[in-house]
Amino acid sequence: GAVVSQHPSWVICKSGTSVKIECRSLDFQATTMFWYRQFPKQSLMLMATSNEGSKATYEQGVEKDKFLINHASLTLSTLTVTSAHPEDSSFYICSARGGPFTNEQFFGPGTRLTVL
Amino acid sequence: QKEVEQDPGPLSVPEGAIVSLNCTYSNSAFQYFMWYRQYSRKGPELLMYTYSSGNKEDGRFTAQVDKSSKYISLFIRDSQPSDSATYLCAMTTSGSRLTFGEGTQLTVNP
Repeated sequence: GAVVSQHPSWVICKSGTSVKIECRSLDFQATTMFWYRQFPKQSLMLMATSNEGSKATYEQGVEKDKFLINHASLTLSTLTVTSAHPEDSSFYICSARGGPFTNEQFFGPGTRLTVL
Repeated sequence: QKEVEQDPGPLSVPEGAIVSLNCTYSNSAFQYFMWYRQYSRKGPELLMYTYSSGNKEDGRFTAQVDKSSKYISLFIRDSQPSDSATYLCAMTTSGSRLTFGEGTQLTVNP
C-alpha cells in the first residue's frame, strides 16, 4: 500500500515551453500533497503544499506563477513548470500525506526535468 | 543553526556491519520522526515512522528516539550492499510539513 506514482519519469524540453508533471496516489486518498525540488547531492527543498480543492501554499522564494500547482482530486496533483528555462532543470519529487490522521509521507519516484 | 543536523558522511562499512545513523534537532515541537532511504535518481522510500521516545524495530532496522536529548538514530543490522544509499531523517510537528536532515551517504562494501 501507500504507493505514489509520478509521470513522466524524465522529460527534456526546449527553453520557453511548459511542462506538466503528474503525481498520483494509487491506493489511498491524499488530502495533502507536497512538491519538492532536489539538486544533486542535496536534500529535498519543499516548493509548495497543496490541499485538495484549494490553492497551493508556496514556500518563500518559489514563484507561484512559474510553478503552477493543481490538486483537483484526492488522488491527483499536477505541477506545471511554465516557460521553462535551463535553470529550472532539476529533479522534482512529489509526496502525499498518508491520510488525515497520520503524518507519514510517501514519495513518488521523481521526475527529472532537463531544459535545453 | 539548522533545525535538523545530520552528518552527510560519506560512511563506508563492510558487509555485515552494524550501521548507526544519527540526527539531532533543536525544535522541541517536533513530535513525529521518519527515516527515508533514497537511491540515486529515485524518490525517498519511507523506512521507519515513530512518534514516541523509545525504540521501534522492523526487520534489520531499528529506529530510536530520545526526545529529552533531541536525538534520533537509525540502526541497520547485518548491512548489505543493497543498503548503499542516502539516508534522510525527517521530522514534523503536529502539522504535516517535513523538515529534513542533509542526508547521510552510506556505502556497504561486499
